[in-house]
Amino acid sequence: LAKTTQPISMDSYEGQEVNITCSHNNIATNDYITWYQQFPSQGPRFIIQGYKTKVTNEVASLFIPADRKSSTLSLPRVSLSDTAVYYCLVGYGQNFVFGPGTRLSVLP
Amino acid sequence: EAGVTQFPSHSVIEKGQTVTLRCDPISGHDNLYWYRRVMGKEIKFLLHFVKESKQDESGMPNNRFLAERTGGTYSTLKVQPAELEDSGVYFCASSQLWEGSYNEQFFGPGTRLTVL
Repeated sequence: LAKTTQPISMDSYEGQEVNITCSHNNIATNDYITWYQQFPSQGPRFIIQGYKTKVTNEVASLFIPADRKSSTLSLPRVSLSDTAVYYCLVGYGQNFVFGPGTRLSVLP
Repeated sequence: EAGVTQFPSHSVIEKGQTVTLRCDPISGHDNLYWYRRVMGKEIKFLLHFVKESKQDESGMPNNRFLAERTGGTYSTLKVQPAELEDSGVYFCASSQLWEGSYNEQFFGPGTRLTVL
């Protein structure tokens, strides 16, 4: 099973770009990398998913290097409402491994 | 479209009692997952159903936990007897059948279980 690590917390200011990195050194060949956002008293909410290289959607970008041992979630121009916990999730099909979560605080 | 729902939202029981948690996935989602986060720890995978079949229950902590998904619709997770260390938040998630490249899991709000 993949073991994942993330920074415990990060601070940012409104309008800045935020990059959160997840390390998953023993990721399996078939594993995908997914990022979730979680607000208090809610379940995790899907942000973006990728397998390799770069993926971009309307809210974020995901960068995955060739060795796939890490991934970086990039949030452009964060706002106060982006204050939340961000999790990476590694897995394929069945068993999934969550990272410990990064608590992002966006300051005015 | 209704999301994943879980019942109850909170449950407080005493050690040794039995509790049953329920998850209703999004209609049409064949994959159903259970996760839990105990205090101060990471969110841990418990098990995975495809329709009514258990695909992987390697994350189930011990035989006090029993998950079922009769008819491939809603699922229940029973803890019997409950121990103090079972306290935490139990999440359910569902997704469409895995097709190799996309498997967004939709999570419910969780059930907060407190064992006294």
